[in-house]
Amino acid sequence: AQSVAQPEDQVNVAEGNPLTVKCTYSVSGNPYLFWYVQYPNRGLQFLLKYITGDNLVKGSYGFEAEFNKSQTSFHLKKPSALVSDSALYFCAVRDTPMAGGFKTIFGAGTRLFVKA
Amino acid sequence: DSGVTQTPKHLITATGQRVTLRCSPRSGDLSVYWYQQSLDQGLQFLIQYYNGEERAKGNILERFSAQQFPDLHSELNLSSLELGDSALYFCASSVEISGANVLTFGAGSRLTVL
Repeated sequence: AQSVAQPEDQVNVAEGNPLTVKCTYSVSGNPYLFWYVQYPNRGLQFLLKYITGDNLVKGSYGFEAEFNKSQTSFHLKKPSALVSDSALYFCAVRDTPMAGGFKTIFGAGTRLFVKA
Repeated sequence: DSGVTQTPKHLITATGQRVTLRCSPRSGDLSVYWYQQSLDQGLQFLIQYYNGEERAKGNILERFSAQQFPDLHSELNLSSLELGDSALYFCASSVEISGANVLTFGAGSRLTVL
C-alpha cells in the first residue's frame, strides 16, 4: 500500500518568515500527491496536488510544494507566513486502486503555528 | 461553505446505542467518501461509494455500515457504540473516482459516546 509520512508533529515559524512542512512518500508507480489544510472546527480544504509535470506545484493561499523523486519528498512551502496560516496540514497520497475505486491516504498531520 | 452537507454537527449518545450520520455531496459529485478522525488514529478512510455502489473499503468495523442512495446522499450507520467510537466523522465528495480527483470535505459530525 502507498503511504505518506509527516515527520514533524508541529512547526513553529514567525510571521513573515518562510515556512516548510515536510512530507515523504512511499509508492509503487507514479505518485498522486496532495496537500490539505484543516482549520479549527472545519473540514479539510484542498491546497494543491501533484500528478505529473513540473516539480514545483503552486496552490491556494500562496502555498507551493516541491516534488522530489530522488528524495521521495513533497514538502509544502510558503515564502512568507501569515498568522492566519496557523492550522493543521495533511499530506496525502492516492492508494493503489481497488475494485474500481480509490482511497486517499492521509498522513498524521502537522500543526503549524505562526507567531506574530 | 464547501457544498458538502453533514448532519448532525454534534451528537452525544451512550454506549451500545446506534446512530446515523448523513451526508449530501456537492452538486454534481457522484462519489462519496467517509473518514474518521480521532486524536490517536489520525484521519482513517472508512468507505467509498460511487453512484450508489461501494467501490473501496478501508478499516471499517463490522458494527459500521454505509450506503449511498439514488439521490446520491449517503448515510453512515454506527451501531453497538463503544467509547472508542468517539471521533469526528467526515464525509467528502468528488466528481469521479479517479485518484487524481480532489476531495471536497464537509464540516464533519462530532460523535461523543458516553
